Amino acid sequence: GAGVSQTPSNKVTEKGKYVELRCDPISGHTALYWYRQSLGQGPEFLIYFQGTGAADDSGLPNDRFFAVRPEGSVSTLKIQRTERGDSAVYLCASSPRGGGSYEQYFGPGTRLTVT
Amino acid sequence: AQSVTQLGSHVSVSEGALVLLRCNYSSSVPPYLFWYVQYPNQGLQLLLKYTTGATLVKGINGFEAEFKKSETSFHLTKPSAHMSDAAEYFCAVSDGGSNYKLTFGKGTLLTVNP
Repeated sequence: GAGVSQTPSNKVTEKGKYVELRCDPISGHTALYWYRQSLGQGPEFLIYFQGTGAADDSGLPNDRFFAVRPEGSVSTLKIQRTERGDSAVYLCASSPRGGGSYEQYFGPGTRLTVT
Repeated sequence: AQSVTQLGSHVSVSEGALVLLRCNYSSSVPPYLFWYVQYPNQGLQLLLKYTTGATLVKGINGFEAEFKKSETSFHLTKPSAHMSDAAEYFCAVSDGGSNYKLTFGKGTLLTVNP
């Protein structure tokens, strides 16, 4: 079946602009995660959704970052007033349920470049 | 707070040689431990995981890892490297109780020489 998909694959934006990154999880997966991977680093947790609600948003770096999942499937990560330090690969993952020993399935990521 | 240390940002081996990628973790609760592989321009793929039970876990592509609680380690091994194993490898830990927030190491780039 189809895996996790993310669009766009690449996004170049100017400093100060607003961007939206989209994640389509595997069908039927109720848990969804966003991670950020900076150059030379491992992925860092941003936010976790169980269904429509954000169960843990403790990894969002500041209030310029916001994510939604209004119908419990597709999620959008929104970044306001982008800064050059936001440049990274943004990864989305989903799992059948949150917690337990469920594997997180990762998408290919969106590479964001802020100029 | 949990943390992961991967010793060696770059490991180079010859084809057919043993692969050993090191991972040490810190966790205040019984951890779940994972190894992921990332090929260029692709997403992370799970190689293997330890949750409970047998401490030696076998994964895909001939990889295995052993959970050693006393050493807080979860090293990844493969007896004989193949050219197709060249990729970046990430060790990750989560809180075994909730297991939704993965904490990753910085990764180890594996190069396989012919």
